[in-house]
Formats: sequence, structure tokens, C-alpha cells
Amino acid sequence: AQSVTQLDSQVPVFEEAPVELRCNYSSSVSVYLFWYVQYPNQGLQLLLKYLSGSTLVESINGFEAEFNKSQTSFHLRKPSVHISDTAEYFCAVSEKNTGNQFYFGTGTSLTVIP
Amino acid sequence: NAGVMQNPRHLVRRRGQEARLRCSPMKGHSHVYWYRQLPEEGLKFMVYLQKENIIDESGMPKERFSAEFPKEGPSILRIQQVVRGDSAAYFCASSPPAGHYEQYFGPGTRLTVT
Repeated sequence: AQSVTQLDSQVPVFEEAPVELRCNYSSSVSVYLFWYVQYPNQGLQLLLKYLSGSTLVESINGFEAEFNKSQTSFHLRKPSVHISDTAEYFCAVSEKNTGNQFYFGTGTSLTVIP
Repeated sequence: NAGVMQNPRHLVRRRGQEARLRCSPMKGHSHVYWYRQLPEEGLKFMVYLQKENIIDESGMPKERFSAEFPKEGPSILRIQQVVRGDSAAYFCASSPPAGHYEQYFGPGTRLTVT
């Protein structure tokens, strides 16, 4: 089974500043990696995913994440945040060979300060 | 194309009552997953179902919890004799038959046990 670690439970950042949300996973087996965003009282929305190919993946709203196999990490970054980015962010991992379940981190609450 | 539907969105039950949570997957999706999110925690896998079959229930509590995904109709997560510790958000996700590597989440059902 996987263990997903999001070291930062809360990240406050000023508007237009850069941000990095960290995610590490435990196993060295082949994995798929995801970032989901959850706005208050809503469900999870897929932000971006890594399945194969280029290790740098991007979302339509300016986020990017880089898969680093040697460090078993999938950190999420944005060069300039907006107020609307305030939300809870979850990193998730599934194993390629089994893939039945996602393993989630405990989430990082991003608060963008005007 | 409608997304994953869950109802009710909010459910209040007294201790000892039964809770029934419903999930309709996205059109064309035949795989359903249930997750539970406790306050201040990430999502935890409960069960994975295909039509009329439970594939993986390794995350389900041994007692009082059951799930089904009948040939016709939504998937049902049933909690008998609810206790306060069952209060949580329950999320359903679905994926297409071609691959398990991407899951689409519903808005969740927030269960409150009084």
C-alpha cells in the first residue's frame, strides 16, 4: 500500500506570489499521480495528472507539477496565485498494476491573502 | 455529459438509524469507488465495485457498512445503526471500463449523526 505525505497542512501566501505544495509518496513501484482541488463544501476536481511521458504536467489555470521518480515526489507549483486559488489541495497516487484505489494525502489548505 | 451524481448532499441521522447514500456514475462508466473523508483528514478508500460485483472492499469497516452496485440504478452505500463516528463526507468516484487510472468524483454526501 502507498503512503502519501503532504508535509504542509496550511499554506498562506500573498496574492501574485509563487507557491509550492509538496507531495511525497512511499513506494517505488510504477504509479499514476494526481492533484485534486476541493473548494469549500464541494467535491474534488481533478487539477492535473501524471500518467506517463513528460514528467512536467500543467493545468489550464497555471498550475504545474513535476514527477520526480528518484525523490518519489510530485510537488505542485504556481508562479503567481490568485484569490480564487484559495482551496484545499489533495495529492493522490494509484499503482499502475493494481490501480483500484487512490491513496490520498491529508491535504494542504492554501489561503491566498489579498 | 452529467458528472457523477450523489444524493442526498446532506443527511442527518440519529444514532442507531440507517443511512443510505446513492451514487450515479458518469454515463458510460462501469466502475464505482467510495471514499470517506473525516474532518481534517484526506480521503480514505472504502470499496470498489463494478456492476453487480464487489471487487475490493478492503477499506470497508467490518460491521454495519455495505455497498452494492446493481445492474440497474445507482450504487448504494448503506450504513446500519449509525454512530457519531460515522459523521463524515462520503465521496463516490467513477471511472470508465478502459482504464482505472482516472477517477471522477461526485460532490459528496455529508453525513451528520446526532
